[in-house]
Amino acid sequence: QQQVKQSPQSLIVQKGGISIINCAYENTAFDYFPWYQQFPGKGPALLIAIRPDVSEKKEGRFTISFNKSAKQFSLHIMDSQPGDSATYFCAAEGAGSYQLTFGKGTKLSVIP
Amino acid sequence: DGGITQSPKYLFRKEGQNVTLSCEQNLNHDAMYWYRQDPGQGLRLIYYSQIVNDFQKGDIAEGYSVSREKKESFPLTVTSAQKNPTAFYLCASRSRADNEQFFGPGTRLTVL
Repeated sequence: QQQVKQSPQSLIVQKGGISIINCAYENTAFDYFPWYQQFPGKGPALLIAIRPDVSEKKEGRFTISFNKSAKQFSLHIMDSQPGDSATYFCAAEGAGSYQLTFGKGTKLSVIP
Repeated sequence: DGGITQSPKYLFRKEGQNVTLSCEQNLNHDAMYWYRQDPGQGLRLIYYSQIVNDFQKGDIAEGYSVSREKKESFPLTVTSAQKNPTAFYLCASRSRADNEQFFGPGTRLTVL
């Protein structure tokens, strides 16, 4: 049973456009929702994270939108750049579990 | 520099051989993790350890073994019982005080 569903699998966006990646979860015990960015051949790195007590968090060009009632959260990348081309993973963790459950990833390509 | 190191970066193994992947961290983190990454599958948890001399199975532990004799080290052994070991292996760690998991650069294992 996949606890975190991520879509789309791949995404092509023109430079300067908005990239949107969506995730849905089932476990209502999740209370921490990070997004990781991974470049080819490298380990993932934390991009931005949110907790369910807020509906939105913004850091630079990256924004997480969180909808607790719908059990969905999304990553928005404004003014997308070719350097943003990478694979993005959403994840979720339950309080005190020390375990992240990852989505299957979205490969983003930003074309000039 | 603080961080997580994994060695080797590339590893080739013949069928039927056991192989050990190294993971070392100097972040003074209590918890350490091993993930397996396959194309289109996201990150799947193999084993994790929250404290020295203790570890728990993740979602795909069959065919793998670990040890945690020192806080900074969490080696993973891929045994001959693992039917499809060719993959990208990622080690991660985190502190108790923070949710963020920090990832190493990964080891790509290929079975010949």
